[in-house]
Amino acid sequence: AQKITQTQPGMFVQEKEAVTLDCTYDTSDQSYGLFWYKQPSSGEMIFLIYQGSYDEQNATEGRYSLNFQKARKSANLVISASQLGDSAMYFCAMRESRRGLTYDKVIFGPGTSLSVIP
Amino acid sequence: DTEVTQTPKHLVMGMTNKKSLKCEQHMGHRAMYWYKQKAKKPPELMFVYSYEKLSINESVPSRFSPECPNSSLLNLHLHALQPEDSALYLCASSQGTGTVTDTQYFGPGTRLTVL
Repeated sequence: AQKITQTQPGMFVQEKEAVTLDCTYDTSDQSYGLFWYKQPSSGEMIFLIYQGSYDEQNATEGRYSLNFQKARKSANLVISASQLGDSAMYFCAMRESRRGLTYDKVIFGPGTSLSVIP
Repeated sequence: DTEVTQTPKHLVMGMTNKKSLKCEQHMGHRAMYWYKQKAKKPPELMFVYSYEKLSINESVPSRFSPECPNSSLLNLHLHALQPEDSALYLCASSQGTGTVTDTQYFGPGTRLTVL
């Protein structure tokens, strides 16, 4: 079973509009970290935002915010005021910790391709 | 500064060649990673080095050989590759804190083509 699900393979958004990219995850651990990365066509994976399972507030970083719903195991990325440069693949990822031991391995979702339309 | 550098940017090699990919970071990170990524897919973990020791090998074929000469450098030696090994190879580093907050920072990648 997939640990990270991103149900939107492709999304379109009008420039200057907000867009939400979905991410649901599956873990039985109480402690875990969730990450979002952006990958433009150039290839580099750019870290955007982090949310910890024990964080009480939703993470925000400039135009990026995370809509974290722990009970529903979802961590959706919200991009406000979309720009043409936001066109890219977006990956949701998770690092788990079990019985006090944090895994070196980070699990990535399948990704969502976002296209911003002028 | 969150810069991870990778060289070369592009590499074309024959199936009998031996080549190496290089990754460098000067952030004082103690964990370094190699990923392989095919087009429109998420990155697949290959190797993890933690404090210069190999901590994870995801059953990668022996034609890929990682090396961590020091805490700033990570190499991937390639030998007798197959055309299906053509992909984007990404290096990443993280502080190696052993906590869930440990964030990976990626390099720009090497696009490898095996003929």
